[in-house]
Amino acid sequence: GQQVMQIPQYQHVQEGEDFTTYCNSSTTLSNIQWYKQRPGGHPVFLIQLVKSGEVKKQKRLTFQFGEAKKNSSLHITATQTTDVGTYFCAGPDNYGQNFVFGPGTRLSVLP
Amino acid sequence: DAGVTQSPTHLIKTRGQQVTLRCSPKSGHDTVSWYQQALGQGPQFIFQYYEEEERQRGNFPDRFSGHQFPNYSSELNVNALLLGDSALYLCASSFGTGTNQPQHFGDGTRLSIL
Repeated sequence: GQQVMQIPQYQHVQEGEDFTTYCNSSTTLSNIQWYKQRPGGHPVFLIQLVKSGEVKKQKRLTFQFGEAKKNSSLHITATQTTDVGTYFCAGPDNYGQNFVFGPGTRLSVLP
Repeated sequence: DAGVTQSPTHLIKTRGQQVTLRCSPKSGHDTVSWYQQALGQGPQFIFQYYEEEERQRGNFPDRFSGHQFPNYSSELNVNALLLGDSALYLCASSFGTGTNQPQHFGDGTRLSIL
């Protein structure tokens, strides 16, 4: 079946450093979504990418969808302690009917 | 504008028991999906309800069942609980069933099986 992988599993950075997480799907995706889950919280929708090669920015966050629509990345510039949490990517399953979430990348930011 | 609400927040059960979890979707949403999130893992899709019917189902046994009511709220029932059912159960609502819709999650119900 379809698999969605994310690397790294964990990332510890000093406040002010940059951070990138990568998401890879075993199949081509019609779209990809990113979510953030704070410790003890629930996933919160960040963004959706649809077009091949699409790049979207939200303040210090930059999201990219690969040309082949099988991979995506989230880059955070100059991390802050408020960025702490687990970042998940999610894409439609093989039938395009429900979401498959990656295992997430847990970000820790040291002040 | 209330978001997605789930109850209860925590629940402790023993093996073999049955449990019912409840979810009220965000105002204006008509679709409810249920996810199981084990510690340190991503949410896993259980099933989705739309127009009071189960529309999609993930790889979960028949012990997991659900219901959607005319007001779009939903229940998740789990029978014959196993230790492995211990997890955070998340409800997500959206407008429509398409996978191009953002999922709005509730705070979840943390279920512990002893």
